[in-house]
Amino acid sequence: QKEVEQNSGPLSVPEGAIASLNCTYSDRGSQSFFWYRQYSGKSPELIMFIYSNGDKEDGRFTAQLNKASQYVSLLIRDSQPSDSATYLCAVSARSYQKVTFGTGTKLQVIP
Amino acid sequence: SQTIHQWPATLVQPVGSPLSLECTVEGTSNPNLYWYRQAAGRGLQLLFYSVGIGQISSEVPQNLSASRPQDRQFILSSKKLLLSDSGFYLCAWSVKTGGGEQYFGPGTRLTVT
Repeated sequence: QKEVEQNSGPLSVPEGAIASLNCTYSDRGSQSFFWYRQYSGKSPELIMFIYSNGDKEDGRFTAQLNKASQYVSLLIRDSQPSDSATYLCAVSARSYQKVTFGTGTKLQVIP
Repeated sequence: SQTIHQWPATLVQPVGSPLSLECTVEGTSNPNLYWYRQAAGRGLQLLFYSVGIGQISSEVPQNLSASRPQDRQFILSSKKLLLSDSGFYLCAWSVKTGGGEQYFGPGTRLTVT
């Protein structure tokens, strides 16, 4: 079983719609959860992090965490073509020293 | 603000040649440092991480090695490259007092021919 699982996609949404990206993790002791955006040929960029159950909003982005279900999601409202990228879910172990990454979901926003 | 540098940006090396990739971080002290490799179309593979000068933890046994000669300098090396070493090499840093969030450098794209 993979430690962090994501659907590879591609997930296609029309411009202006809500994109919903999902991630599950296996370690119940995980403490911190991250979403990175990676454009083709570029390095990952941290866009959201969440530590406690519930929702965290930052502009058009909302991260949702459900520790009981071991589930993390990222919602992107009013999706733009510039949001087209691969989104990596990442989970930190108890020590915070290491982060385990999922393989990413490719998002395509269609104009 | 913090900045992370990696060089070179791209590199083409023949099989059997040595490798040295360098990463430096500015604007922070005593960071945790990481080397990842991302093969084409694949996820991020953690290769090494370091919590301090001279302290290196290896995640994947292979022909690569890492060193941290200074607080904000992290070097990835190989004595003899293999074809399978091709990939996108990423250096990242994190603060020790944070929640584990890591920040990536621009990466080095290595092609072994």
